[in-house]
Amino acid sequence: DIQMTQSPSSLSASVGDRVTITCRASQNIRTSLNWYQQKPGEVPKLLIFAASSLQSGVPSRFSGSGSGTDFTLTISSLQPTDFATYYCQQSYKVPLTFGGGTKVEI
Amino acid sequence: QVHLVESGGGVVQPGGSLRLSCTASGFPFTNYPLHWVRQAPGRGLEWVAIISYDGSKRSYADSVRGRFTISRDDSKNTLYLQMNSLRVEETAVYYCARGTYASSSVEYLDSWGQGTLVTVSA
Repeated sequence: DIQMTQSPSSLSASVGDRVTITCRASQNIRTSLNWYQQKPGEVPKLLIFAASSLQSGVPSRFSGSGSGTDFTLTISSLQPTDFATYYCQQSYKVPLTFGGGTKVEI
Repeated sequence: QVHLVESGGGVVQPGGSLRLSCTASGFPFTNYPLHWVRQAPGRGLEWVAIISYDGSKRSYADSVRGRFTISRDDSKNTLYLQMNSLRVEETAVYYCARGTYASSSVEYLDSWGQGTLVTVSA
């Protein structure tokens, strides 16, 4: 199985900060990498698919980059609504696997 | 508007069985692969199973293979997850999710149901 490792597991940031979350795959997954946001008590929401494509309706302050084994989710200017847990997920090979999550706190 | 609604969760004893359902609307059901993903209380997301758009292919996480069965009834726009020999550690919210392919053939989960809670306890 492909292991997905996210870092950091949590971070503290302020409104307006630039935030970067990294995700590393245990093998080359090309650009088969998606990012999700989950707020407490809510359903996961797709943010970025295929490493860098912004899902419709998602604010442009979210961006994704990377290919192969190393990927990044960037929030250019953190907003109050962005405090949540973020997960990466590979879809290169079944079983699909998620990273452990990164909790973004105030 | 895509809508996925899970049902069938509840309390079951260890070793017991449960069947979850996910009723879909707002999109052509037979065009999409469907997934089950679970989340234990306070934990991260864990992928469980996938069924292809036509039901011809199914894959499972190692942890559930041989005990869980994913299926779909296209006449009812409904996805199922039959869970047998349940374990305490499988207590979780179970989500169904729709798979969609990007132009690059990368699959992603673009719509999720609200989830149904399964509690495995004596």
